[in-house]
Amino acid sequence: GQSLEQPSEVTAVEGAIVQMNCTYQTSGFYGLSWYQQHDGGAPTFLSYNALDGLEETGRFSSFLSRSDSYGYLLLQELQMKDSASYFCAVRGVTDNYGQNFVFGPGTRLSVLP
Amino acid sequence: NAGVTQTPKFQVLKTGQSMTLQCAQDMNHNSMYWYRQDPGMGLRLIYYSASEGTTDKGEVPNGYNVSRLNKREFSLRLESAAPSQTSVYFCASIARAGSSYNEQFFGPGTRLTVL
Repeated sequence: GQSLEQPSEVTAVEGAIVQMNCTYQTSGFYGLSWYQQHDGGAPTFLSYNALDGLEETGRFSSFLSRSDSYGYLLLQELQMKDSASYFCAVRGVTDNYGQNFVFGPGTRLSVLP
Repeated sequence: NAGVTQTPKFQVLKTGQSMTLQCAQDMNHNSMYWYRQDPGMGLRLIYYSASEGTTDKGEVPNGYNVSRLNKREFSLRLESAAPSQTSVYFCASIARAGSSYNEQFFGPGTRLTVL
């Protein structure tokens, strides 16, 4: 089968650093994506890792270890507007084109003042 | 450039009724997707179309049909709605190449309630 696991909730204070983990068990793998979703909104893309290592985009960084089937999203200098749900998604789980995706259950981040 | 658009935004159906959710993208993307999201949960893939003329089942296809009408449009049909299909439905698209190759663009969603 295929599954992704994420912690259900994380709480942190403004200005802090938070790490949200994602572990996966899938039959195929092209890469790991991260998406942010505010309440009532649509998911928006944050980052994508195809190879092992760290990708940095401003305050957001994403890490992947293919050998451990593990990744994380790191948010620095937390702001109140970062309160949202964060989803990891594995690309290319069952097809040969890397065009399908499976999403994790998401981590709800609450940023406190 | 509107991105991904979905209609309708809200819909209430009675059990057994049918309806079609419409999705269109103006980014010349090859691949399009339909997801459902139940309260407090992640997105589950219903169907996807890797390119014009092809469709494939995702994780939860039962009770749904899709049509890739052309490169821009991908519709989702519920033939006989059931209360278990109450959910928020998101359409998404992605390029097969280029700088945004790995980024799925999502529509605003359709909130469907089946009574």
